[in-house]
Amino acid sequence: DVKVTQSSRYLVKRTGEKVFLECVQDMDHENMFWYRQDPGLGLRLIYFSYDVKMKEKGDIPEGYSVSREKKERFSLILESASTNQTSMYLCASSFFELKGVGYNEQFFGPGTRLTVL
Amino acid sequence: SQQGEEDPQALSIQEGENATMNCSYKTSINNLQWYRQNSGRGLVHLILIRSNEREKHSGRLRVTLDTSKKSSSLLITASRAADTASYFCAMNTGFQKLVFGTGTRLLVSP
Repeated sequence: DVKVTQSSRYLVKRTGEKVFLECVQDMDHENMFWYRQDPGLGLRLIYFSYDVKMKEKGDIPEGYSVSREKKERFSLILESASTNQTSMYLCASSFFELKGVGYNEQFFGPGTRLTVL
Repeated sequence: SQQGEEDPQALSIQEGENATMNCSYKTSINNLQWYRQNSGRGLVHLILIRSNEREKHSGRLRVTLDTSKKSSSLLITASRAADTASYFCAMNTGFQKLVFGTGTRLLVSP
């Protein structure tokens, strides 16, 4: 059974702390994504990666960084957590979309609900 | 933002009724996908419709796509209590990414 796992389901941190969210996929996918989900705003892309050591900014990268040292693992880093980063964080992965094929179903992890106090 | 808009934001029906959710988007697309999210969990892919398709079926799901109006709809027939979830459309505009809509919360009462 294919799987995307995230290191924590719930996390509580203090303002100013450095926070690491880990995501691992076992499907040999090239693409990995980090989203945050807030009520009424849907999912917003923070960063994504299409290869090891490659990353691209999404719509809301400010205050976040990412690391992809191995194909199966994609980490989201909050350098100095703030209260406005309290949110649900979702990791996803997909195969690299070949031009003209256009099929890139994303597989999601269960999410990490982060609270910053 | 290129985010899609969904309506209604929330929908409450009885078991056995049909549920229709609508999605509108702003840019041209390669395909449009629908996902389901049970409360507090990750999203699960339901169905994909390509830009050159107008309708697609999968079990009790029926998806339509009108690229001239930049809109799509998801119909769930004969709803069950287990269909209670949030539903999101997601647009593939190229470049490996999806742009998600704001979601519709569906409540199906027994």
